[in-house]
Amino acid sequence: DAGITQSPRHKVTETGTPVTLRCHQTENHRYMYWYRQDPGHGLRLIHYSYGVKDTDKGEVSDGYSVSRSKTEDFLLTLESATSSQTSVYFCAISAERDYGYTFGSGTRLTVV
Amino acid sequence: EDKVVQSPLSLVVHEGDTVTLNCSYEVTNFRSLLWYKQEKKAPTFLFMLTSSGIEKKSGRLSSILDKKELFSILNITATQTGDSAIYLCAVDFTGNQFYFGTGTSLTVIP
Repeated sequence: DAGITQSPRHKVTETGTPVTLRCHQTENHRYMYWYRQDPGHGLRLIHYSYGVKDTDKGEVSDGYSVSRSKTEDFLLTLESATSSQTSVYFCAISAERDYGYTFGSGTRLTVV
Repeated sequence: EDKVVQSPLSLVVHEGDTVTLNCSYEVTNFRSLLWYKQEKKAPTFLFMLTSSGIEKKSGRLSSILDKKELFSILNITATQTGDSAIYLCAVDFTGNQFYFGTGTSLTVIP
C-alpha cells in the first residue's frame, strides 16, 4: 500500500528471544520511522532514520535497536523480547522532515 | 512536558449528524499538526495544518488550527457509517518527529 510494506504481519514469540521486524519502501523517501501503538498510549515513536546509517532514538527506544543499510529498508530489532513489547508496530515514511507520514499496515507482535 | 490531548475519547452518533473532534497541545516551538483516520489497519493521512485560521477541507471533512489558543478541530458533516474510525492528531514541535494524541474513537450508527 503506497509503496511501503511491513513483514511479518503477525508474529508470536517467546520471552527472551530476538525478533526483527522489517519495513521496506519503494518511494525512495529519506525518512523512516518505527512506532508502536498500545491502548491508552496512542502511537509512540521508537526510533527513526534520516538517511542510510543515520538513526536516532524516539521516546520509547529502550529495548529496541534499528538499522538502515539501504534507503529502502529499515529494520527494528528486539534483542530479547519481553511481554511489555507486545504491541502493534507501525513503520512510516516521509519525503521530508516535516511532511506527513505514510504508514505501513502494521505488525502485530505477541510476546508470550 | 510537551503533550497532545484529544477529546472526546469516544463518541457515538447517528448517520447524518455533524461531529467536532478536538486536539489541544501544550508544546513549545510548534511547527505543524496532522490529522489521521485509522480504521482497522494503518492510519491514513487527512490534513496537515501549519497556519492559524486557514481551513482545510476535503469533502465532508474540514479542519482548522488556532495557534493562539493551541488547538485544532476536525469537523465531519453528514456522517456516514464509513466514517467510523479512530481519528488521530499529531504535532511536530521538534522538526524531527510527530507526537501523537491517543485518538478519538468515532462510531456512526445507522
